[in-house]
Amino acid sequence: RKEVEQDPGPFNVPEGATVAFNCTYSNSASQSFFWYRQDCRKEPKLLMSVYSSGNEDGRFTAQLNRASQYISLLIRDSKLSDSATYLCVVNMGSGGTASKLTFGTGTRLQVTL
Amino acid sequence: DAGVIQSPRHEVTEMGQEVTLRCKPISGHDYLFWYRQTMMRGLELLIYFNNNVPIDDSGMPEDRFSAKMPNASFSTLKIQPSEPRDSAVYFCASSFRGPWESYNEQFFGPGTRLTVL
Repeated sequence: RKEVEQDPGPFNVPEGATVAFNCTYSNSASQSFFWYRQDCRKEPKLLMSVYSSGNEDGRFTAQLNRASQYISLLIRDSKLSDSATYLCVVNMGSGGTASKLTFGTGTRLQVTL
Repeated sequence: DAGVIQSPRHEVTEMGQEVTLRCKPISGHDYLFWYRQTMMRGLELLIYFNNNVPIDDSGMPEDRFSAKMPNASFSTLKIQPSEPRDSAVYFCASSFRGPWESYNEQFFGPGTRLTVL
């Protein structure tokens, strides 16, 4: 089983649609979770952190389910500019210097007219 | 701030040659990370430094890879000798907080696209 697993997609959705991505992780001791966005041939950039209670940033909502070990990202009212690859990122360590971020291989989103 | 700076942006070399990738982190960031990204394996952490000291190099694939950070504003990743399977995009990233902290954000450089023929 991969440490961080994502559906690679692509997800093709029309502008204005709502789309959701899930990501599962293997280490139940993981403490911090993030979604990064990567545009084609560019570097990854932090989209949002994922908090235990769930959090929202404009059209984006992130949720964490520790019992089932998955996190999700919901994008409402999709824009053409949302087209990118979304990387699920998990801190696989249990804390301290042994921790490191593990990236999923990403889910590609294509928003069309 | 100019962000994380990497050079070169593109490198094409022949098998067996030495390759050196360079990175300048954001000023004031105490953590520096080297990643490799391929289509098959995604983004993999190779090594990271804290205050110029290597903390975790378990991702370095083999002895052909080495990384140094002689001071807070410069790091290198060297591959010697290079092989075709090393072809990938190599990213350098830096952060103010450690990777285990909840509010940590890593800032990535634009990457070096390496092709080994």
